[in-house]
Amino acid sequence: NAGVTQTPKFQVLKTGQSMTLQCAQDMNHEYMSWYRQDPGMGLRLIHYSVGAGITDQGEVPNGYNVSRSTTEDFPLRLLSAAPSQTSVYFCASSYEGSGANVLTFGAGSRLTVL
Amino acid sequence: QKEVEQDPGPLSVPEGAIVSLNCTYSNSAFQYFMWYRQYSRKGPELLMYTYSSGNKEDGRFTAQVDKSSKYISLFIRDSQPSDSATYLCARTGGYNKLIFGAGTRLAVHP
Repeated sequence: NAGVTQTPKFQVLKTGQSMTLQCAQDMNHEYMSWYRQDPGMGLRLIHYSVGAGITDQGEVPNGYNVSRSTTEDFPLRLLSAAPSQTSVYFCASSYEGSGANVLTFGAGSRLTVL
Repeated sequence: QKEVEQDPGPLSVPEGAIVSLNCTYSNSAFQYFMWYRQYSRKGPELLMYTYSSGNKEDGRFTAQVDKSSKYISLFIRDSQPSDSATYLCARTGGYNKLIFGAGTRLAVHP
């Protein structure tokens, strides 16, 4: 049981390049989300999904795109990378009925934009 | 004002000390409060959560919520070097969403 798997673990991009951060979970969780973590800012929600085919914006969605074609996968796309998107990105999943919002996080993807 | 305020530390204590980690929040509409622990270069993992006011104990850890003062606390008894991590408080922010504090870095030295 792998839980939440994120790839790549590290990535360096140049300004203007695009890329996709991959996230997969094998727990059959309905809910998936992407957070970014910056020093002094804590974790901030980028986008989330309540099920296949349904996505919505979080607190800081600009510059990112998501889709959810399957229950298992929730990729995060950076359309045109900017230095302000240098951060550590975490994917998380949870199941319906976890009223306490018990999120299971991946190990993170560390992105540097030059 | 941030919705969840947390002193980032760092907090350095000797092994065996009692540690108190604290957060304040500004929105009383939500019921669940949680503590996540994050080791260096790892993802956060749920440590404890509480519902409404009161205390919840799990081994050496006690989570406390005071809704009248909008205060969340985590106490660690007999702290160990393995407790060295960043501790993130959070409250529910809607369906399966969380609002996090900035995290407090804790170092427990032998």
